[in-house]
Amino acid sequence: GDSVTQMEGPVTLSEEAFLTINCTYTATGYPSLFWYVQYPGEGLQLLLKATKADDKGSNKGFEATYRKETTSFHLEKGSVQVSDSAVYFCALLNYGGSQGNLIFGKGTKLSVKP
Amino acid sequence: GAVVSQHPSWVICKSGTSVKIECRSLDFQATTMFWYRQFPKQSLMLMATSNEGSKATYEQGVEKDKFLINHASLTLSTLTVTSAHPEDSSFYICSAPHGQGRFEAFFGQGTRLTVV
Repeated sequence: GDSVTQMEGPVTLSEEAFLTINCTYTATGYPSLFWYVQYPGEGLQLLLKATKADDKGSNKGFEATYRKETTSFHLEKGSVQVSDSAVYFCALLNYGGSQGNLIFGKGTKLSVKP
Repeated sequence: GAVVSQHPSWVICKSGTSVKIECRSLDFQATTMFWYRQFPKQSLMLMATSNEGSKATYEQGVEKDKFLINHASLTLSTLTVTSAHPEDSSFYICSAPHGQGRFEAFFGQGTRLTVV
């Protein structure tokens, strides 16, 4: 079945460091890919998305490119801030029969130190 | 974006009692809602799909008699953990798809359940 694998954390960075969180997926067909973020004590929020190969999703300085050839959707940010500390989830949605059910990776906790 | 509200955000209950968790879509109608469970350091696992006006669809391995789901209206789904046991302690989170193509899911804040 479909699955998502993302790098395990926690990831600890200093402010203004470069961030990469790896995400790869296994799916039949052409899924849509998402990154969700969960700030401490809050629910999940959509960070960015890409619906087809080579699409680049971007938001709040974060970017991820849908790479079908490598089945990847790595999250990057050039300069992280303390306020970016959160848990990040990579997810996919496969349209075949789906009504919005997402398959998640395990999540990667990011801690940014001042 | 659309708002999904989940209540309570945390609850502590005694073994053997039942706990109800509510999930509301505040500014849109949701004919479908999803209930997930998140174990510590684990991903979110889909438990069931809640369908307005019909029975919920449970994922394999999820006890439907233990995790009762009711989708009473187009804006409310409830999850009741019946006869709770300590192993039911977990983080439960709901979501509802909304938007063009319904490919975006909006999440509630989650409920931390602790059974003592």
